[in-house]
Amino acid sequence: QVQLVQSGAEGRRPGASVKVSCKASGYSFSDYYMHWVRQAPGQGLEWMGRVNPDNGTQYAQKFQGRVTMTRDTSISTAYMELSRLTSGDTAVYFCARVWEPATMVNGLDVWGQGTMVTVS
Amino acid sequence: ETVLTQSPATLSVSPGERATLSCRASQSVGSHLAWYQQRPGQAPRLLIYGASTRATGLPARFSGSGSGTEFTLTISSLQSEDFAVYYCQQYYNWPPVTFGQGTRLEIK
Repeated sequence: QVQLVQSGAEGRRPGASVKVSCKASGYSFSDYYMHWVRQAPGQGLEWMGRVNPDNGTQYAQKFQGRVTMTRDTSISTAYMELSRLTSGDTAVYFCARVWEPATMVNGLDVWGQGTMVTVS
Repeated sequence: ETVLTQSPATLSVSPGERATLSCRASQSVGSHLAWYQQRPGQAPRLLIYGASTRATGLPARFSGSGSGTEFTLTISSLQSEDFAVYYCQQYYNWPPVTFGQGTRLEIK
């Protein structure tokens, strides 16, 4: 079935970096745009950015200079790396696929299970 | 940045009754609005996109309406599994894509 499986929980010290992976299966990975969304404990959803099938990216201004999103089509995996972590980055990080092929942004129909990143 | 304001913050409804959730945008987003359901400990689930199109497999008791700046998600006859948090998302004025702060739908 169509699914996204993310890497496991991570703990980091302030100032460190973290890289989260998101492995896709059950569909043609190269046909779909991927977005990253995070959710702080007890809070709402926050969009971080997107990565294109050709590895082009667009990031929320809030994360510019600190986030890098990439994808490796050969292993159907997307990555999100966040640097210079602070306690404010403690959150669950989700990858999510745009529902329509070759569409940059729209509803997100398939989500990873989330990766908890704790900074302390 | 387009701000989405959802109301009410919490909605208490009895099973079998109708629930109406609202989402207001600070500027027009056309019909580029989606709705999600999130249960505790789970990832969000896409319900509606294009303001009114149901995602694949979504029960017909869920419906979305609106355009421009005013949107509504209606659940016609609440089932036990519908009690969750609901978010709206706009993807017209981006970046950034923005989400509302959520409406918690609880059992009355």
